[in-house]
Amino acid sequence: SYVLTQPPSVSVAPGQTARITCGGNNIGSKSVHWYQQKPGQAPVLVVYDDSDRPSGIPERFSGSNSGNTATLTISRVEAGDEADYYCQVWDSSSDSVVFGGGTKLTVL
Amino acid sequence: QVQLQESGPGLVKPSQTLSLTCTVSGGSISSGSYYWSWIRQPAGKGLEWIGRIYTSGSTNYNPSLKSRVTISVDTSKNQFSLKLSSVTAADTAVYYCARVRSIAVAQPFDYWGQGTLVTVSS
Repeated sequence: SYVLTQPPSVSVAPGQTARITCGGNNIGSKSVHWYQQKPGQAPVLVVYDDSDRPSGIPERFSGSNSGNTATLTISRVEAGDEADYYCQVWDSSSDSVVFGGGTKLTVL
Repeated sequence: QVQLQESGPGLVKPSQTLSLTCTVSGGSISSGSYYWSWIRQPAGKGLEWIGRIYTSGSTNYNPSLKSRVTISVDTSKNQFSLKLSSVTAADTAVYYCARVRSIAVAQPFDYWGQGTLVTVSS
């Protein structure tokens, strides 16, 4: 089955740029979606189809996807961005959804 | 605004069947424009997709859970349901229902329920 690999944690100072990676075999050929999950809350979609933002999501959130790595970039990080972030793809070989293991973003 | 709400027992005994229902409001589940999914999350761990259903009743399941999972839809009640059989403590988790944005391939989950905690214990 398809595997998505995320770093367990990323730390960044306020105002800096956070980059969260999601690795997978030829992930560049897939559409990658990203979710933000704060403690005790349901996940929220922040980026879909590699780099598109749902309405209401700040432009500070952006995404890219190429080769074996997709990246969620959060510019001008704020304290309120502290959360767990998950990448997600559709695995057509098994007709199933796959999530990455999640990355905890800490704002120093 | 679409809203999803999970309901069902919060405590299930080992070897029994976990049953949850997701009630959709603010839109018709039978519009034919979406898939409807179940996702779970054990405490302190990541998200695990359980499966999805289309209005027609067509389903896809996580291969690792497929033998124990049944997802069904009741369009008259605007609900879809999850049954997970032969549960063990490893099935203890927060269970979410969610809407897939469209029926096109590889779509994201755009609306989620608040989640419901199900504990498997005797």
